Amino acid sequence: NAGVTQTPKFRILKIGQSMTLQCAQDMNHNYMYWYRQDPGMGLKLIYYSVGAGITDKGEVPNGYNVSRSTTEDFPLRLELAAPSQTSVYFCASTRQGSNSPLHFGNGTRLTVT
Amino acid sequence: DAKTTQPPSMDCAEGRAANLPCNHSTISGNEYVYWYRQIHSQGPQYIIHGLKNNETNEMASLIITEDRKSSTLILPHATLRDTAVYYCIVRVASTGNQFYFGTGTSLTVIP
Repeated sequence: NAGVTQTPKFRILKIGQSMTLQCAQDMNHNYMYWYRQDPGMGLKLIYYSVGAGITDKGEVPNGYNVSRSTTEDFPLRLELAAPSQTSVYFCASTRQGSNSPLHFGNGTRLTVT
Repeated sequence: DAKTTQPPSMDCAEGRAANLPCNHSTISGNEYVYWYRQIHSQGPQYIIHGLKNNETNEMASLIITEDRKSSTLILPHATLRDTAVYYCIVRVASTGNQFYFGTGTSLTVIP
């Protein structure tokens, strides 16, 4: 299993541009999450999904959109990039049930200038 | 919002046990405590989790108090490679089973 795969690893955007951060998992996990981590800070939950077709907001959803058309994929969309969205973005997944750990991808480092 | 409180930083001598505390006084009866660590800006790495009994695996031990309001992660023989930020997380027992991360404890292992 590849686990959780995120692409791209790095990206530089200009203010106002849009992009999609890709996340895929091959572990047949129902639950998927997007986090952002600003320098020197902990992870903040942006959006999560409990299954295909179901998404919900986390702590910091403004400026982002998500979709979950398949179990495997959970892309994160930035429509109008702003400097405040400069961060490292992590995707994670887990099985249903509270006795299962999160599996993380290696992150996407995004800079908006 | 994070449901845990951790000291911002700790030091530990190489070869000694590192004991990292965590308070989770609002934890519910069916919510698990998870520990992760993050080295530099890599993705967080799972260490261990537990509900109410003490747990041990090849990486660490987890001691949860009887009232479940706090726990301690023990790295029995810390090495320089254990220098990292350690996060204590309560997995919310709701529809999404969200994991909320706090700011963690930055552990420095000193030679």
